Amino acid sequence: DAGITQSPRHKVTETGTPVTLRCHQTENHRYMYWYRQDPGHGLRLIHYSYGVKDTDKGEVSDGYSVSRSKTEDFLLTLESATSSQTSVYFCAISGQDTGELFFGEGSRLTVL
Amino acid sequence: GQQLNQSPQSMFIQEGEDVSMNCTSSSIFNTWLWYKQDPGEGPVLLIALYKAGELTSNGRLTAQFGITRKDSFLNISASIPSDVGIYFCAGQPDRYSGAGSYQLTFGKGTKLSVIP
Repeated sequence: DAGITQSPRHKVTETGTPVTLRCHQTENHRYMYWYRQDPGHGLRLIHYSYGVKDTDKGEVSDGYSVSRSKTEDFLLTLESATSSQTSVYFCAISGQDTGELFFGEGSRLTVL
Repeated sequence: GQQLNQSPQSMFIQEGEDVSMNCTSSSIFNTWLWYKQDPGEGPVLLIALYKAGELTSNGRLTAQFGITRKDSFLNISASIPSDVGIYFCAGQPDRYSGAGSYQLTFGKGTKLSVIP
């Protein structure tokens, strides 16, 4: 199994509070991604990183920010959580630019 | 953005039966991938296809990269209970484009149920 750890795995929070999800990898892969998965929408890319301090927006980036200060860590922040951000969030990594992603186990976020 | 049409959305089959599912796109892709997601877990890569017309197998799974580059197919032979899960196709327009796999587009999944 690819060495990817997401934390927390489950979180319940209230509207308006900040939330940070962490993705940690031990594979030294260059590329890291944050996806959200919702019924009827499949997997949608939020943000991605192609190196330390190199990040860019994905398809559904509004309301989210990311940071990557080290190769192994990619943080996803919701500055002020909303109910529409209730979802399962997946981190993924890849060593090359081929679409072959390794996914973490997911973080289930509920915003009340 | 680009969209993939994956069908069927769900299927119920008897153990031992063969399964077929497919993805179609209005755009050309140069890479097609198939992932499987078990309940409560992240997707896992099953098969990657890089050439139009390519046919690749992984055990009981066989996937094909359509000649038009706008579709791909996944077949599972002699299904077993552990085949249960959601199968996703994904397409990438450019390989080694330097832009990263952010261009990957996922289908909405085919939920497979196997009746023992």
